Amino acid sequence: DGGITQSPKYLFRKEGQNVTLSCEQNLNHDAMYWYRQDPGQGLRLIYYSQIVNDFQKGDIAEGYSVSREKKESFPLTVTSAQKNPTAFYLCASSQTLNTGELFFGEGSRLTVL
Amino acid sequence: KQEVTQIPAALSVPEGENLVLNCSFTDSAIYNLQWFRQDPGKGLTSLLLIQSSQREQTSGRLNASLDKSSGRSTLYIAASQPGDSATYLCAVSRSDRGSTLGRLYFGRGTQLTVWP
Repeated sequence: DGGITQSPKYLFRKEGQNVTLSCEQNLNHDAMYWYRQDPGQGLRLIYYSQIVNDFQKGDIAEGYSVSREKKESFPLTVTSAQKNPTAFYLCASSQTLNTGELFFGEGSRLTVL
Repeated sequence: KQEVTQIPAALSVPEGENLVLNCSFTDSAIYNLQWFRQDPGKGLTSLLLIQSSQREQTSGRLNASLDKSSGRSTLYIAASQPGDSATYLCAVSRSDRGSTLGRLYFGRGTQLTVWP
């Protein structure tokens, strides 16, 4: 079945540590996105990528980094510079940037201890 | 910047009722509008996608309409069931070809509870 796989589903991190969230899609989509969801805040865009080896900052990119070395993969690193990293992280993809339906993974919940 | 508002924030109804969820947006220059469902602790599931040239889309008991001139979309759920309980989000995308192309702007959602 085609879809988006995020891992891990739950992740605990000590303060000062970097962590990487995985996002893999087998939908052959060009565009991929990372969103952050906090209670009462809605979804906020962290980074997005239109094509391999290209990515752009979203609205809240500070403290995060991404790479897009392969079409199917768009990992997100939450660095120690992110002041409030505890959140639910959602990866998404679409056929091309903003030209069609957006599909989401099941999310990764990060908790900083 | 595009602002997306969803009303009501929460809704609790008995099974069998027909429901209307509202989504409004401030900038009518949209590319498309999408309705999603989110179950607790889960990702978003796409329900309906309406392109800017369309007025409505239907899938089963769901019908979504789009009125760009008034900046509104409604999601109509017929004969609601307890399994419809979830948070429903709408998202709109910009249509210009500037740096914001590809941005989806989300509302905060309507939390729906359908009780037996």
